[in-house]
Amino acid sequence: GQSLEQPSEVTAVEGAIVQINCTYQTSGFYGLSWYQQHDGGAPTFLSYNALDGLEETGRFSSFLSRSDSYGYLLLQELQMKDSASYFCAARVQTGANNLFFGTGTRLTVIP
Amino acid sequence: DGGITQSPKYLFRKEGQNVTLSCEQNLNHDAMYWYRQDPGQGLRLIYYSQIVNDFQKGDIAEGYSVSREKKESFPLTVTSAQKNPTAFYLCASSPPGGEGKNIQYFGAGTRLSVL
Repeated sequence: GQSLEQPSEVTAVEGAIVQINCTYQTSGFYGLSWYQQHDGGAPTFLSYNALDGLEETGRFSSFLSRSDSYGYLLLQELQMKDSASYFCAARVQTGANNLFFGTGTRLTVIP
Repeated sequence: DGGITQSPKYLFRKEGQNVTLSCEQNLNHDAMYWYRQDPGQGLRLIYYSQIVNDFQKGDIAEGYSVSREKKESFPLTVTSAQKNPTAFYLCASSPPGGEGKNIQYFGAGTRLSVL
């Protein structure tokens, strides 16, 4: 089966840097996505890595190592509005090009 | 504005009742998906559809049914066979090829509770 593991909770201080890790075991792995979800809201796409290395989008960066089946999301200059749940999702080629989501990491940013 | 509309926002189901959750998109996306989210959990795929008049079971399809008669619409019926339906239901769509990344765009969700 497919599985993605993330820490359940992370707390960080406003203005700091935080890293959210994701390890995966999947078949037909294509790439790793990250989504943000505020309480009661819709998940929104943040980033996607198909190749090894770092992808940077503003304050957010995402990293992938296919050989280690590992990725992370890096959030810099944390703001209070970054408090949310963050999900990694593996894109797999199973004929339907679906996403398998991790259980999510709840990030709390404190003053 | 383009987007995905889910309705209702809150829904209550009585014992033995079937209920239908609506999902409409005006993004001209071919692929649509239904997910279930339980508290503190990730998203689990219920059904997906890559094209009109075709749909496939996801990981937890038992007790659910769908239809895809129009490109814009992908309603989900929670049947009485689903014994634990209380959850947050999310509908999503993705453009052809997913922009190479399978980016999925989500609706605001329907929160279903059992009376």
